[in-house]
Amino acid sequence: GQNIDQPTEMTATEGAIVQINCTYQTSGFNGLFWYQQHAGEAPTFLSYNVLDGLEEKGRFSSFLSRSKGYSYLLLKELQMKDSASYLCAVRGGSGGYQKVTFGIGTKLQVIP
Amino acid sequence: NAGVTQTPKFRILKIGQSMTLQCTQDMNHNYMYWYRQDPGMGLKLIYYSVGAGITDKGEVPNGYNVSRSTTEDFPLRLELAAPSQTSVYFCASSDPLQSSYNSPLHFGNGTRLTVT
Repeated sequence: GQNIDQPTEMTATEGAIVQINCTYQTSGFNGLFWYQQHAGEAPTFLSYNVLDGLEEKGRFSSFLSRSKGYSYLLLKELQMKDSASYLCAVRGGSGGYQKVTFGIGTKLQVIP
Repeated sequence: NAGVTQTPKFRILKIGQSMTLQCTQDMNHNYMYWYRQDPGMGLKLIYYSVGAGITDKGEVPNGYNVSRSTTEDFPLRLELAAPSQTSVYFCASSDPLQSSYNSPLHFGNGTRLTVT
């Protein structure tokens, strides 16, 4: 099976940088996603890592270490609209390459 | 290009009633998924499908059934609704074969179901 852990809540200040961590255990690994979800809305795709290292997309970056079962999402120059839940998801596992399992999500509150 | 479409948006069921949540996608994706999300929680995988005629159980399949007769459609059936099935249901699709590296899940807007 799969076990995905991330903090349930975080608070950060507008303009600052915040790092949201995700650790996972899986019998097979075929990539890790980060999604953003505003309250009452569907998740939207932010980033995807399948190889070790850092992927940068504007204000958002995501890092992966497969040997450590660890990823983080880095948000720079925080804006109030970044207040949302951030979901870590792992593709793969005992169910096969196509199975995608989500963590509980980290609720980020950005304060002025 | 509508993406992933779910109907209905909202539904209230009485205990013991049955219903089908509809999901259709127009991106010719082979992989489709059903998730449920309880308040303040993450997404739990109910069922998924890798193509027409092929379905498999996720983490929380009890109380649900699915079918995949076409590439486009992946309906989720609740046979005997229970209060524990009150949740928001999301359908999603993807196709790693169309993009070998980056193939995110595309989500529908969700169905909010209340069982009383």
